[in-house]
Amino acid sequence: AQKVTQAQTEISVVEKEDVTLDCVYETRDTTYYLFWYKQPPSGELVFLIRRNSFDEQNEISGRYSWNFQKSTSSFNFTITASQVVDSAVYFCALSERSNAGNMLTFGGGTRLMVKP
Amino acid sequence: NAGVTQTPKFQVLKTGQSMTLQCAQDMNHEYMSWYRQDPGMGLRLIHYSVGAGITDQGEVPNGYNVSRSTTEDFPLRLLSAAPSQTSVYFCASSIAGNYGYTFGSGTRLTVV
Repeated sequence: AQKVTQAQTEISVVEKEDVTLDCVYETRDTTYYLFWYKQPPSGELVFLIRRNSFDEQNEISGRYSWNFQKSTSSFNFTITASQVVDSAVYFCALSERSNAGNMLTFGGGTRLMVKP
Repeated sequence: NAGVTQTPKFQVLKTGQSMTLQCAQDMNHEYMSWYRQDPGMGLRLIHYSVGAGITDQGEVPNGYNVSRSTTEDFPLRLLSAAPSQTSVYFCASSIAGNYGYTFGSGTRLTVV
């Protein structure tokens, strides 16, 4: 069965600090997909990134970067020079190709608070 | 382009009442799903559909029914509301699940 663990329930940083959100997953599939979603205080879920299991290249998008390591089953998310607008709950999620409907399994989320 | 539209945004029910949460998407997505979000537990899958006429249960289906008569609509029915169903409900759709899901803005349901 698939499982996603976000061990950090809450992180607090001061603006301009770098912060890394951890995500560890479990799956028996060799083909799977990993996602990060952001949930700002307004409540909607915003898609950030999708990564398939065959692509271990790190990805950078502005101040955001993602480190995918199959050897440790981790897909960590780093925000560089954090800003107050980054304050949100961040969810990591997993989808297995063998799973009918390719539904998402979510981690419990990490609440990030960025203080000015 | 409206994306995924959920109604209502807020609802208060009394224990034992029934209601339907509406979800509609205008992106011609085949895959649709319902999740509930509870504090500290992330989002958990209630029911899902991979196309019109096809539905299946997710992780926490008890107390909920769904149907999918059209590609666009995927309503979630609470048969007899219980306080344990107090939660935020999200509907999502995808062209194919592995490409990621687009989520609606959520329905905050309180059962008293």
